[in-house]
Amino acid sequence: QVQLVQSGAEVKKPGASVKVSCKASGYTLTNYAMHWVRQAPGQRPEWVGWISNGNGNTKSSQKFQGRVTISRDTSASTVYMEMSSLRSEDTAVYYCARGRVIFGVVNFDYWGQGTLVTVSS
Amino acid sequence: DIQLTQSPSSLSASVGDRVTITCRAGQTIITYLNWYQQRPGKAPKLLIYAASSLQSGVPSRFSGSGSGTHFTLTISSLQPEDFGTYYCQQSYSDPLITFGQGTRLEIK
Repeated sequence: QVQLVQSGAEVKKPGASVKVSCKASGYTLTNYAMHWVRQAPGQRPEWVGWISNGNGNTKSSQKFQGRVTISRDTSASTVYMEMSSLRSEDTAVYYCARGRVIFGVVNFDYWGQGTLVTVSS
Repeated sequence: DIQLTQSPSSLSASVGDRVTITCRAGQTIITYLNWYQQRPGKAPKLLIYAASSLQSGVPSRFSGSGSGTHFTLTISSLQPEDFGTYYCQQSYSDPLITFGQGTRLEIK
């Protein structure tokens, strides 16, 4: 069965960086894209970025202006999301979600359990 | 970014009721629209993809319809476990994906 297991909660100071991992099992990592979605308390989910299937191209939301780096280790079936120059408004639960394409529509059929990142001085 | 607006923002309904949630897009997104349910403290769960296709394992009381800019999620007979927040999500501007603001569903 497909599972996405994320790393544990993090507490960081403003200006620091955080790296969240997402270990996939039950399928071949490179057959699907992996997306990162975050959700601040009481807010709607917000797309952060993705790493494509196959060659592993990456893209992140312009909102983060180069602060986000997404990578993967195929030998470990793990995807990483690193965010730098953290601000208090980056406090959120960060999810990895498998991107599946059907009829040309990207949907997120499996999600990790979420990683709470708290940015506080 | 493509804006998605859901209505209502919240609702309260009784077991057995028919419930409809609407999602409107700021521009046409054809049928590039998915629906999710999120229970408190949990990750979202995919219910409907491509506007009207039922995700495997999801009860048939859930259905979706619409195209262009107007979409609906319907629960034909509300069950106690259907509480939570429902989100629509578009992937027309993939990979620049956006979500609606959510509809909070409470069981009376």
